[in-house]
Amino acid sequence: EIVMTQSPATLSVSPGERATLSCRASQSVSNNLAWYQQKPGQAPRLLIYGASTRATDIPVRFSGSGSGTEFTLTISSLQSEDFAVYYCQQYNDWPPLTFGGGTKVEIE
Amino acid sequence: QLQLQESGPELVKPSETLSLTCTVSGGSITSNSHYWGWIRQPPGKGLEWIGSIYYSGSTYYIPSLKSRVTISLDTSKNQFSLKLSSVTATDTAVYYCARHGRAIYGGFDSWGLGTLVTVSS
Repeated sequence: EIVMTQSPATLSVSPGERATLSCRASQSVSNNLAWYQQKPGQAPRLLIYGASTRATDIPVRFSGSGSGTEFTLTISSLQSEDFAVYYCQQYNDWPPLTFGGGTKVEIE
Repeated sequence: QLQLQESGPELVKPSETLSLTCTVSGGSITSNSHYWGWIRQPPGKGLEWIGSIYYSGSTYYIPSLKSRVTISLDTSKNQFSLKLSSVTATDTAVYYCARHGRAIYGGFDSWGLGTLVTVSS
């Protein structure tokens, strides 16, 4: 099973600032990695797939990078609606599909 | 636009079987481009994939639950279902159904709203 580790667990950022979230895989997942945003009481929303491709209707301030075992989600200028929990997920080698533990982005 | 909706009992007794159905509208579950999956999230915790099914009927499960899980398709109703047997309190969670693609498109791109299932006597 591929273990996904996200850091930090919590990120405190001011509106308008840049946020950088990390995700590490226990073995290479190539670029078969997705990022999700989840707000309280809502289902997750796909932001990025293929490590760097924005999903439909996702704003350009969200960008993904990386390959192999190290990945980054960057939010270039945080808006109020971006404060949420973010998860990464690998789909390179499954079953099982595996998610990271999440990073909570909160207002500083 | 694709929509998924979970349905089923919100309260299940310990040792019994949890049964949920996902009704898909705006698209067909017989698409050969997608899998249909179940993901759960215990209160205040992260996401856990349970399993997925392909239009052919092929199923894929997380090893830790494999002995208790069955996912099936009902193509006549455009639905797929989850059964989890011998439940305990640790199975209490919000259960989501979702669609994911193949190869590079493997992310879950459409989700149901989720349903909270509580295991309690």
